[in-house]
Amino acid sequence: QIVLTQSPAIMSASPGEKVTITCSASSSVSYMHWFQQKPGTSPKLWIYSTSNLASGVPARFSGSGSGTSYSLTISRMEAEDAATYYCQQRSSYPWTFGGGTKLEIK
Amino acid sequence: QGQMQQSGAELVKPGASVKLSCKTSGFTFSSSYISWLKQKPGQSLEWIAWIYAGTGGTSYNQKFTGKAQLTVDTSSSTAYMQFSSLTTEDSAIYYCARHWDYWGQGTTLTVSS
Repeated sequence: QIVLTQSPAIMSASPGEKVTITCSASSSVSYMHWFQQKPGTSPKLWIYSTSNLASGVPARFSGSGSGTSYSLTISRMEAEDAATYYCQQRSSYPWTFGGGTKLEIK
Repeated sequence: QGQMQQSGAELVKPGASVKLSCKTSGFTFSSSYISWLKQKPGQSLEWIAWIYAGTGGTSYNQKFTGKAQLTVDTSSSTAYMQFSSLTTEDSAIYYCARHWDYWGQGTTLTVSS
């Protein structure tokens, strides 16, 4: 199965700071998808097919990458962005998720 | 707006089976793919399987073959996951999700004697 490795595992950012979360795949995938999850709630689709923002996601978020290397970027961190972000691949079965990046606000 | 309402928390004994439900509304159930996922506290998500509600066609994570069985009832727009031969390792929160915009609130399954 394809293993997705996210880095960092935990990070904190100040309001207005640029944030980049990376997801490295053990084999090449066609697309990467990202989910946001806040404590005690269900995950939410955040970015799909590498770079498309899900409905309602602020424009300060963006996604990019190809092959085995993908990233999620927040241009300017806001308090509401504090959450855990997971990458997911659906190019190969079984579909797999990264270990998550917990993003905290400073 | 689509909604997915999952059944309540379950406490079951090792070796038993349980059937979790996911009642949907607000979208066309019969043309939807629904996945079930597992999440242990403080851990990432694990994909179990998907079912296409229109035909009942399925695809399983090999890890859960024989452990999980997905079904649907199109008359009530409800998806089900039966989990058998439960062990303490199956204790987790289980989510259903309509690919991938609507999610249930999760069902906490606790396996304990």
